[in-house]
Amino acid sequence: GAVVSQHPSRVICKSGTSVKIECRSLDFQATTMFWYRQFPKQSLMLMATSNEGSKATYEQGVEKDKFLINHASLTLSTLTVTSAHPEDSSFYICSAIPGQGARRFGYTFGSGTRLTVV
Amino acid sequence: LAKTTQPISMDSYEGQEVNITCSHNNIATNDYITWYQQFPSQGPRFIIQGYKTKVTNEVASLFIPADRKSSTLSLPRVSLSDTAVYYCLVEGNTGFQKLVFGTGTRLLVSP
Repeated sequence: GAVVSQHPSRVICKSGTSVKIECRSLDFQATTMFWYRQFPKQSLMLMATSNEGSKATYEQGVEKDKFLINHASLTLSTLTVTSAHPEDSSFYICSAIPGQGARRFGYTFGSGTRLTVV
Repeated sequence: LAKTTQPISMDSYEGQEVNITCSHNNIATNDYITWYQQFPSQGPRFIIQGYKTKVTNEVASLFIPADRKSSTLSLPRVSLSDTAVYYCLVEGNTGFQKLVFGTGTRLLVSP
């Protein structure tokens, strides 16, 4: 149980275009999901907390107008990188936990999306 | 949020036991210690979680002393496929806490 699916696994886009990344909880409902970014050889950095039916909460230094998050249902959160630039190239990962947050097996993470902006 | 400190990297050979220690001096009473494993170009994967003493599952063991200010992940008889980054985190077991990832430990297993 507790599977999180992330799509696409990799995407290449041209500078100036927008890219949408989907994060789905397949076998549970997730009122809260998290989005991380990871640069090569570095740790995961939390970008924002996605809340179903309300605005996302962004970490300090993360541009909310550039990284649009929509959590319109209990099983889907999307991250849209708008007007992408080469410096946005990174590995994006989402995570979620079931229901009210009770968990015995930590957070479940998606498989990640490798974004390359050319 | 408790901060964790762990070695940046470790090297081992196939068949050896690997112990990775993590310091979390400011752990709160309600916090659990959770270890995740991450392979290149994949999301982290839960390995083991514990609160105190010893926890063992089919993959690893987790040793936590009485003061809970540190923990040790033990991987028995590692194989090449255990080469990965291992993250130690402290988190409550309810609610929606933000996870703060430290540097992690990059484990390299050689033949």
